[in-house]
Amino acid sequence: EIVMTQSPATLSVSPGERATLSCRASQSVSSNLAWYQQKPGQAPRLLIYGASTRATGIPARFSGSGYGTEFTLTISSLQSEDLAVYYCQQYNNWPPWTFGQGTKVEIK
Amino acid sequence: QVQLQESGPGLVKPSQTLSLTCTVSGGSISSGSYYWSWIRQPAGKGLEWIGRIYTSGSTEYNPSLKSRVTISVDTSKNQFSLKLSSVAAADTAVYFCAGPHSGAFDIWGQGTMVTVSS
Repeated sequence: EIVMTQSPATLSVSPGERATLSCRASQSVSSNLAWYQQKPGQAPRLLIYGASTRATGIPARFSGSGYGTEFTLTISSLQSEDLAVYYCQQYNNWPPWTFGQGTKVEIK
Repeated sequence: QVQLQESGPGLVKPSQTLSLTCTVSGGSISSGSYYWSWIRQPAGKGLEWIGRIYTSGSTEYNPSLKSRVTISVDTSKNQFSLKLSSVAAADTAVYFCAGPHSGAFDIWGQGTMVTVSS
């Protein structure tokens, strides 16, 4: 099973500043990596797939990068509505597909 | 646009079988070549993929749950279902269905809370 490790656990960022979230895979997942945003009481929403492709309707301030074992989600200018927990997920090796433990983004 | 809705009992007794259904609207569950998955999330914790069923009916399960999980599809009702046997308190979670997907999960149901308690 591929273990996904996210850092930091919690990130405090002021509105308008850049937020950088990291995700590391225990072995290569190629570019088969997705990022999700989950707000309290809601289902996760797909932000990024293929490591760097924004899903339909996702604002341009969200971007993804990386390949293999190291990945990054960047929110270029944090908005108040970006308060959420962010998860990475690999879909390269299954079963099982696996998620990271999440990074909580707080507004400073 | 495909929409998903989970349904089923919100309370299940220990050692019994949890049964949930995901109803698909806005599209046919049997069209195309896609997967339909179940994912769960204990309160305050992360996401765990449970398993998936392909349009053809083939299934794959998380090895950690494989001995207790069955996912099936009913094309006549445009639904797919989850059965988890011998449940315990550790199975208490919000259960999500997701699909159609090939890799990443782009459409999710709203989730349904299932509590395992006597």
